[in-house]
Amino acid sequence: DIQMTQSPSSLSASVGDRVTITCRASQSISSYLNWYQHKPGKAPKLLIFAASSLQSGVPSRFSGSGSGTDFTLTISSLQPEDFAGYYCQQSYSIPYTFGQGTKLEIK
Amino acid sequence: EVQLVQSGAEVKKPGESLKISCKASGYSFTNYWFGWVRQMPGKGLEWMGIIYPGDSDTIYSPSFQGQVTISADKSISTAYLQWSSLKASDTAMYYCARTGISGMAAGFDYWGQGALVTVSS
Repeated sequence: DIQMTQSPSSLSASVGDRVTITCRASQSISSYLNWYQHKPGKAPKLLIFAASSLQSGVPSRFSGSGSGTDFTLTISSLQPEDFAGYYCQQSYSIPYTFGQGTKLEIK
Repeated sequence: EVQLVQSGAEVKKPGESLKISCKASGYSFTNYWFGWVRQMPGKGLEWMGIIYPGDSDTIYSPSFQGQVTISADKSISTAYLQWSSLKASDTAMYYCARTGISGMAAGFDYWGQGALVTVSS
């Protein structure tokens, strides 16, 4: 299985901050990388697919980059509704594993 | 509007069987892959497997192969996740989700609301 490692595991930030979450794959996955936002009690939400493509309806303050083994999710200016869990997922080979998650909290 | 509506919370005893469902609407059910994701209490997301309702082609994560069965009934646009003998370790929230038109490369773009399964004696 391809292992996906996110860092940091948790992060405290303030409204208006620029935040970057990284995801590293244990082997090259080209650009087969998706990012999700997950709030407690709600269904996960797809933010970015194929490493850098913004899902329809997702605010433009979210962006993704990277290829091969190293990827980043950036939130350019944190909004109150952005405090949540974030997961990367590789869609290169089965099983399509998720990272362990990053919890973004209010400072 | 695409909607995935899951069946309700379940409380079961170890050894019992269970089948949970996810009814899709608002799109052509047979043309998109459909999957299941587990979230154990306090843990992250785990990819369980996917099915293509058009031909019932099913792919499991090795971690879940033989532990669960994924199926779909295209006549009623509904996918299922079932267990023949539950264990306490199956206690989790289970989400159904649809992939984009290009399959998993496009990620899971629509999700059900989740179904909490509790297995306890």
